[in-house]
Amino acid sequence: GENVEQHPSTLSVQEGDSAVIKCTYSDSASNYFPWYKQELGKRPQLIIDIRSNVGEKKDQRIAVTLNKTAKHFSLHITETQPEDSAVYFCAPYYGNNRLAFGKGNQVVVIP
Amino acid sequence: DSGVTQTPKHLITATGQRVTLRCSPRSGDLSVYWYQQSLDQGLQFLIQYYNGEERAKGNILERFSAQQFPDLHSELNLSSLELGDSALYFCASSVDPSPSTDTQYFGPGTRLTVL
Repeated sequence: GENVEQHPSTLSVQEGDSAVIKCTYSDSASNYFPWYKQELGKRPQLIIDIRSNVGEKKDQRIAVTLNKTAKHFSLHITETQPEDSAVYFCAPYYGNNRLAFGKGNQVVVIP
Repeated sequence: DSGVTQTPKHLITATGQRVTLRCSPRSGDLSVYWYQQSLDQGLQFLIQYYNGEERAKGNILERFSAQQFPDLHSELNLSSLELGDSALYFCASSVDPSPSTDTQYFGPGTRLTVL
């Protein structure tokens, strides 16, 4: 079955510092690992994704790393800014045309 | 703006009632997904349609049903509503039927409150 966990549930960081949030999944067959960002009152938006043949992917201040052996992938945000404050969802692909969303990590950037 | 539209924005109704939520996908997208977001459960996948046909089913209750019409818009029907059905309902769309090969673009959501 799907077992997706995100830790920590809430993360507070000072503006300019880095934030790392981790997603653990249970299905070893997963091959697609996206991260979605949802700002307060808004829709979820894809911010970065990685596929199982790649260990790390970067896009400006965000990066995603994948450890298939340990079944986890992480979101890294560097030089955090107030607009990074949001809930971040991982959603590993479990087949059958579904993404299994975790319960989210609340990131709070303190100015 | 993702290009996905949902109506209505807010819906307040009573227990036992039936409501219909509507979603129009981005132009050119054939796939529509429905999700339920509540505070304690996060984003739960309900159902997916691709080009008018049901493609995948998630944690959708029997009281809920959906369909996708020839013009590709989709409707989610919720009946015999209970207090626990109060949530934000999102639809998302994509061109391809597989979430692993194509990005899902989410609509603004419909907030359902059951009193």
